[in-house]
Amino acid sequence: KAGVTQTPRYLIKTRGQQVTLSCSPISGHRSVSWYQQTPGQGLQFLFEYFSETQRNKGNFPGRFSGRQFSNSRSEMNVSTLELGDSALYLCASSLKRTSGRNNEQFFGPGTRLTVL
Amino acid sequence: GESVGLHLPTLSVQEGDNSIINCAYSNSASDYFIWYKQESGKGPQFIIDIRSNMDKRQGQRVTVLLNKTVKHLSLQIAATQPGDSAVYFCAESHGQNFVFGPGTRLSVLP
Repeated sequence: KAGVTQTPRYLIKTRGQQVTLSCSPISGHRSVSWYQQTPGQGLQFLFEYFSETQRNKGNFPGRFSGRQFSNSRSEMNVSTLELGDSALYLCASSLKRTSGRNNEQFFGPGTRLTVL
Repeated sequence: GESVGLHLPTLSVQEGDNSIINCAYSNSASDYFIWYKQESGKGPQFIIDIRSNMDKRQGQRVTVLLNKTVKHLSLQIAATQPGDSAVYFCAESHGQNFVFGPGTRLSVLP
């Protein structure tokens, strides 16, 4: 079974631009969560999508948004990029919503975003 | 707000020795904890989890200990191998979202 895939793996943007990242979950998984990982803050939860609906959202500004399609693939968008948005963006999929116990999340390799 | 932290940002151990990675959490309402391993260039990988109604849980070469009194979590790796070299994260949850610590880098010395 293929794992979680994320595209692109690396991305360089300049301040003010916008970016869209893509995540394909493991086949059959309906929950997709997004995380931002930086050396200083570690892993921080962005949002979770389940059955095409955003179920949870972390403490990030409205510039960060996402969506999920009927095939469970998900995209996240960051508008008006800032230098501080440089990070590794990780996507994780699971069978059920992440609040469920015994519901392991499987992470993708991440997209490394650099904002210049 | 709630937070999860680690006592040691880096840990070096001799191959074959046991490793202990510690984690402190601040939210006493947290009832579910996970340890993840992240190797260079890869996403975090689930190692072991524990619920708050347990004090100890064992896996293959790994043991997680939970002390709710002092809000402390630890991961013990027996007979540490070179392949164990990675960054280890603890994560806690009390409902829906997970809160992750900054991570501890484990280096295994030959």
